[in-house]
Amino acid sequence: EDKVVQSPLSLVVHEGDTVTLNCSYEVTNFRSLLWYKQEKKAPTFLFMLTSSGIEKKSGRLSSILDKKELFSILNITATQTGDSAIYLCAVMKTSYDKVIFGPGTSLSVIP
Amino acid sequence: GAVVSQHPSWVICKSGTSVKIECRSLDFQATTMFWYRQFPKQSLMLMATSNEGSKATYEQGVEKDKFLINHASLTLSTLTVTSAHPEDSSFYICSARGFGERYEQYFGPGTRLTVT
Repeated sequence: EDKVVQSPLSLVVHEGDTVTLNCSYEVTNFRSLLWYKQEKKAPTFLFMLTSSGIEKKSGRLSSILDKKELFSILNITATQTGDSAIYLCAVMKTSYDKVIFGPGTSLSVIP
Repeated sequence: GAVVSQHPSWVICKSGTSVKIECRSLDFQATTMFWYRQFPKQSLMLMATSNEGSKATYEQGVEKDKFLINHASLTLSTLTVTSAHPEDSSFYICSARGFGERYEQYFGPGTRLTVT
């Protein structure tokens, strides 16, 4: 059965801290791994990772994929209160482009 | 970026009635649309995948006769919750994928359904 696991499930940090969120997966017909940020409504897209070892970066956020070990990390440096959200990891399969979501990591950044 | 809208954004209905939720891609043609359900403090669960002009593919455990999905055009998909019950109360989110290399999904803002 396809599975996406995230850790930790929740995290509380102080502003300015750096955090690393983990995502591991076991799926057949892997195409890509996706990271989303979900605040009060629907998720917003952060990154799509298809190749191993290539870091994607957007401001203070960065992410990398390891297809051999079947995991990805999402790093957030110099966290701000606006980073408080649920971060969802998802895996896109080749069949019908089906996307399977992990349980999410709830990040709270306190001043 | 691409925009996906949903209507209504929230709806309250009585048990036993049916509710239709619309998902529209506003500035691109969506070859595939996905319907998800999210219960409080849980992740998104894929309910079904619909391709324009063909029948939706439902995930295991999702009743196709209860959750009717229609994807009649490249910009509109609808989800009808038939004979709704309180346990159907949830946040329903659609996403759409258009042509192109990235196969990125664009999410709608979601619809909060409350069945009383």
